[in-house]
Amino acid sequence: ILNVEQSPQSLHVQEGDSTNFTCSFPSSNFYALHWYRWETAKSPEALFVMTLNGDEKKKGRISATLNTKEGYSYLYIKGSQPEDSATYLCARQTGANNLFFGTGTRLTVIP
Amino acid sequence: DVKVTQSSRYLVKRTGEKVFLECVQDMDHENMFWYRQDPGLGLRLIYFSYDVKMKEKGDIPEGYSVSREKKERFSLILESASTNQTSMYLCASSHRVGKHNEQFFGPGTRLTVL
Repeated sequence: ILNVEQSPQSLHVQEGDSTNFTCSFPSSNFYALHWYRWETAKSPEALFVMTLNGDEKKKGRISATLNTKEGYSYLYIKGSQPEDSATYLCARQTGANNLFFGTGTRLTVIP
Repeated sequence: DVKVTQSSRYLVKRTGEKVFLECVQDMDHENMFWYRQDPGLGLRLIYFSYDVKMKEKGDIPEGYSVSREKKERFSLILESASTNQTSMYLCASSHRVGKHNEQFFGPGTRLTVL
């Protein structure tokens, strides 16, 4: 993998369903993996920054895992709510400043 | 409450015009960034600055320049706007101290070049 790839590009889930999506990235020269949530007409906001292989982070109903050896991270949302509708971006950090973003997963939660 | 503001949410300009996009942060961050977002592509870094009067090219600097005269302000300049610069532009900032710094984003400026 040369770039950061996210899948799926978009998905629709029913309110109350749990869901997950994937971020794949080159495992070489790894510093950190960032997850952002970007709601329509708002600024992207940071969800998690993960650095170590095996890291797991949780914020409310949202959690993320990291595998730096194989180059992937999963984001999980438990019991999706309409307010979870957003584009979820992941970004690989290779140096002190630079982030390389994926194209995002657009989640729509249907009431 | 941390804040990154951008001068305009929407902007329409004509080909050949000089365009200034302004970004201000109130968090005393050392690092500031300009990205563009296009359909089907991830956020792509245009330029970043890690200190006043310092700048570094990102992945797609062609056709752009930047200015950082004060710590809180980072300007993106399109010297002669072209239609392929129609895009969503996002500014971000972060601390330099510490290795794994989250970036704080502004709301974006949607620029249309006719």
